[in-house]
Amino acid sequence: QVQLQQWGAGLLKPSETLSLTCGVYGGSFSGYYWSWIRQPPGKGLEWIGEINQSGSTNYNPSLKSRVTISIDTSKNQFSLKLSSVTAADTAVYFCARPGTEVWGKGTTVTVSS
Amino acid sequence: DIVMTQTPLSLSVTPGQPASISCKSSQSLLHSDGKTYLYWYLQKPGQPPHLVIYEVSNRFSGVPDRFSGSGSATDFTLKISRVEAEDVGVYYCMQSIQLPRTFGQGTKLEIK
Repeated sequence: QVQLQQWGAGLLKPSETLSLTCGVYGGSFSGYYWSWIRQPPGKGLEWIGEINQSGSTNYNPSLKSRVTISIDTSKNQFSLKLSSVTAADTAVYFCARPGTEVWGKGTTVTVSS
Repeated sequence: DIVMTQTPLSLSVTPGQPASISCKSSQSLLHSDGKTYLYWYLQKPGQPPHLVIYEVSNRFSGVPDRFSGSGSATDFTLKISRVEAEDVGVYYCMQSIQLPRTFGQGTKLEIK
């Protein structure tokens, strides 16, 4: 049973860079795209982007200019960086394989001066 | 982007009564491989979404058979035959045929 464990800084100031990492445990890392998804307080789900084990990425055009997703296959981990954050980036961030039950528990990220 | 539109946005149901949620997509979700990439999730407070239905009508492992999914192309429905207290939360549909992956706005199910 694949499990995702995610971690990263939860409190940022405006203009800083959000950085989160997700570890994949107990299952195959290869052959899938791994995503980041976020959920602002009280709102719905927004797909941020994805990466596969070859490092091929796809990003949501709405965030593409600020997003970098990277992968470390030696550690079965993938990471999200979101630059120049503002209060609008305050959300719970999930790592996941969309279309499956494989989701991290979520990390609350707050952007506040 | 494919726009996913759910109705209603909220639902209050008496235990034992049925419930139905509609999800309409702005483009067909039928892939050339024959699969239709429409999923239903249930999210409870403080938790990640949990998969209920995949590819329109397949119940995920452990999901009670009171849940069923149907539809095709652009028009989909999630039905709960007899609502129980544990079914409360927000239901989201999601499409995975085209990037960016997109979700419906969510439908909040409450118990009367």
